[in-house]
Amino acid sequence: EDQVTQSPEALRLQEGESSSLNCSYTVSGLRGLFWYRQDPGKGPEFLFTLYSAGEEKEKERLKATLTKKESFLHITAPKPEDSATYLCAVQVPSGSARQLTFGSGTQLTVLP
Amino acid sequence: DSGVTQTPKHLITATGQRVTLRCSPRSGDLSVYWYQQSLDQGLQFLIQYYNGEERAKGNILERFSAQQFPDLHSELNLSSLELGDSALYFCASSVDPGQGQTQYFGPGTRLLVL
Repeated sequence: EDQVTQSPEALRLQEGESSSLNCSYTVSGLRGLFWYRQDPGKGPEFLFTLYSAGEEKEKERLKATLTKKESFLHITAPKPEDSATYLCAVQVPSGSARQLTFGSGTQLTVLP
Repeated sequence: DSGVTQTPKHLITATGQRVTLRCSPRSGDLSVYWYQQSLDQGLQFLIQYYNGEERAKGNILERFSAQQFPDLHSELNLSSLELGDSALYFCASSVDPGQGQTQYFGPGTRLLVL
């Protein structure tokens, strides 16, 4: 069974204190790994898609990396507005199905 | 703003009732996906449509059904509602169901069953 595990479940940082969130996966034939940000009561907001090991993508203070077994979301010098739940999801080949399998998320709080 | 719209934003109803949730995908997107998010289950895939045809089913109950119309909007019908159906329901869309396509999520419908 495909599994996606995110750690830590919750993370509190001081403003400017850099850190990383982890997403480990056990899937066969990964077709894409996706990072989303979700604010309370809102829909997930797309951040990055990674397709192959060694790939990296950056956007402002966020950088996502991918290996064969896990992905990291690095947050550099975070600000309070970066506080949110960060979700990782994978897509695997399954006939014509293209659904995403999500991890349980990391709830990030950045304190001023 | 992802470009995916969902109505209504909030819905309060009673057990045993039936409701319909509506989703309009981003302009140009042909695939629509429905997900359910509850506190104890996280985001769970329900069903996928592409250009009006059902493509895949996930953890969707028999009491739930969906369809995608010729104008590509989609509706999720929930019937014989139970307390446990209270959750956030999200619609997502992508250009096509090709592998690795990014799915963009709508703002969701919060359903409360009393």
